[in-house]
Amino acid sequence: QPALTQPASVSGSPGQSITISCTGSSSDIGGYNYVSWYQQYPGNAPRLMIYDVNYRPSGVSDRFSGSKSGSTASLTISGLQAEDEADYFCSSYTSAGGWVFGGGTTLTVL
Amino acid sequence: QVQLQESGPGLVKASQTLSLTCTVSGDSISTGARYWAWIRQHPGKGLEWIGYIFHSESTYYNPSLRSRVTISVDTSKNQFSLKLSSVTAADTAVYYCARRGPGGHWEYYFDYWGQGRLVTVSS
Repeated sequence: QPALTQPASVSGSPGQSITISCTGSSSDIGGYNYVSWYQQYPGNAPRLMIYDVNYRPSGVSDRFSGSKSGSTASLTISGLQAEDEADYFCSSYTSAGGWVFGGGTTLTVL
Repeated sequence: QVQLQESGPGLVKASQTLSLTCTVSGDSISTGARYWAWIRQHPGKGLEWIGYIFHSESTYYNPSLRSRVTISVDTSKNQFSLKLSSVTAADTAVYYCARRGPGGHWEYYFDYWGQGRLVTVSS
């Protein structure tokens, strides 16, 4: 059972905005501003999209944004595009000194 | 451009030791600030952090796997390796090597990943 809880799937139409939630505990998300989000296409390695809750690496579209409230983090994708269709994973540093991940959310662009 | 590439057997018999190597290019594995990690993804999605190595010899492992995991570095080949002993079917997964953010200790994410190596444990 993944340590972080994500919805199994979300969907949206092109141009719309969607939000993916990621719920943890005070030992991970709630205790640190070290939430990251990864995008993964089938058969490919994960790609870092957001780090430290709301920072984007160079090269990542500003349509991707992150936030956190308590022990729940969120990834928002605005202006949805067909190329955004992928799996998304959240991750958090933990009080145990390592990382935990969510089970992943499949985004479908209708 | 930093690149990582996993290699090793794709099939391991139960009770034996899984061994994988990650070859790094575009970065020096012995750079002091660098942390090098292994992460796996079980069939059906879930990701699991296995452990990391830094300063070429210091390691930290996931407590749930600590008794079976060894991560080591070969600086002459710019590679790091994973050994997981006494494997069972539950260890069947895609194994990724990854780099912790460039600031090492001050970064809490993984910025470069290998393509992954599927390892199947057979009975």
